[in-house]
Amino acid sequence: KAGVTQTPRYLIKTRGQQVTLSCSPISGHRSVSWYQQTPGQGLQFLFEYFSETQRNKGNFPGRFSGRQFSNSRSEMNVSTLELGDSALYLCASSLGQFTRDTEAFFGQGTRLTVV
Amino acid sequence: GDSVTQMEGPVTLSEEACLTINCTYTATGYPSLFWYVQYPGEGLQLLLKATKADDKGSNKGFEATYRKETTSFHLEKGSVQVSDSAVYFCALSSSSGGYNKLIFGAGTRLAVHP
Repeated sequence: KAGVTQTPRYLIKTRGQQVTLSCSPISGHRSVSWYQQTPGQGLQFLFEYFSETQRNKGNFPGRFSGRQFSNSRSEMNVSTLELGDSALYLCASSLGQFTRDTEAFFGQGTRLTVV
Repeated sequence: GDSVTQMEGPVTLSEEACLTINCTYTATGYPSLFWYVQYPGEGLQLLLKATKADDKGSNKGFEATYRKETTSFHLEKGSVQVSDSAVYFCALSSSSGGYNKLIFGAGTRLAVHP
């Protein structure tokens, strides 16, 4: 069974540009969550999607957005990139809606560097 | 708000030494607790979890007990191997506004030398 697939693995963008990251969850999983990992702030929750609907959102500016498609694949978009957006972006999938007992399966992440 | 505090690393051990990584949490309600491991260049892998007080999670020789009275979930292993070198994250499932998400500690880097 294939795991969570994130593409691309590495990305270099210039300040002011926008970027789209992709996540394909484990087959049959319907929930996708996104996390940002930086040395300074650690792992921070961005948002969760379930059945194409955003269920939960972290404390990030509106430049960060996402969506989920009918096949459960998800994309996140960051507009007007800033140097501080450089991070490892991790996607996690789970079978159903994320609850207190849910086991989340993480992808390898997309390393975004903003120059 | 909910939070997780882990001991700072790096932790450097010789092979076959005992490991303890401390983790304490602050949460409203009754969260589930998790340990995730991140190997170099990889995403996070769930190592173990516990969903209620006094539960013990265990996997691959690692174990942790959910201690409600001390709000702790310390990770332990009796004999570490070089292959255990990684970053370990303690996390809790936090519910706010009716929805859950994972809140992570800062991570503890473990280096095991032969």
